[in-house]
Amino acid sequence: EPEVTQTPSHQVTQMGQEVILRCVPISNHLYFYWYRQILGQKVEFLVSFYNNEISEKSEIFDDQFSVERPDGSNFTLKIRSTKLEDSAMYFCASGQWAEAFFGQGTRLTVV
Amino acid sequence: DQQVKQNSPSLSVQEGRISILNCDYTNSMFDYFLWYKKYPAEGPTFLISISSIKDKNEDGRFTVFLNKSAKHLSLHIVPSQPGDSAVYFCAASGTGGTSYGKLTFGQGTILTVHP
Repeated sequence: EPEVTQTPSHQVTQMGQEVILRCVPISNHLYFYWYRQILGQKVEFLVSFYNNEISEKSEIFDDQFSVERPDGSNFTLKIRSTKLEDSAMYFCASGQWAEAFFGQGTRLTVV
Repeated sequence: DQQVKQNSPSLSVQEGRISILNCDYTNSMFDYFLWYKKYPAEGPTFLISISSIKDKNEDGRFTVFLNKSAKHLSLHIVPSQPGDSAVYFCAASGTGGTSYGKLTFGQGTILTVHP
């Protein structure tokens, strides 16, 4: 069964450093998303991407964040200068319509 | 952000019995609702969804009911199995314009099914 895959599974980074989280969505999906879950909190929408551009983003998704689909298979989330409060599980998801299918997540720890 | 609420943090059920998980929402623009199951250290797994034009959707042991006037939905699992033990999230979205897949999640309900 096709699935969304994310790498790495765990990333530890120093505050102020840039990180890139990588995702391979399900191949025939058209919509791509990033979500995050801070420990003990809800899963939160960050950004959606369709037709090679951002279609919607949340208030969390400020100038520190960017997304890219550099080729036909990968989808990346970049955080330019990480802060302690960026520590969370980051989930990539993809879909064809209203359902979103999630990857296993990347745990980002900012120290 | 309390647009989607799951008021029961946990639910304990005996194997073979029915599990009923509840969810309330406040945003009348939501017209598509989903349930996800999540194990620790994994991403949410899609279970079942329902459009606002329907009041019931069934898939095997899982049935979702939607009461639009009450802004309430529920997930029924019959019969419950120990492997169903997980965190269950309710999520909602609009389906117009750029809203596809922009899900607003509830805080989750931990379901424990005892053998």
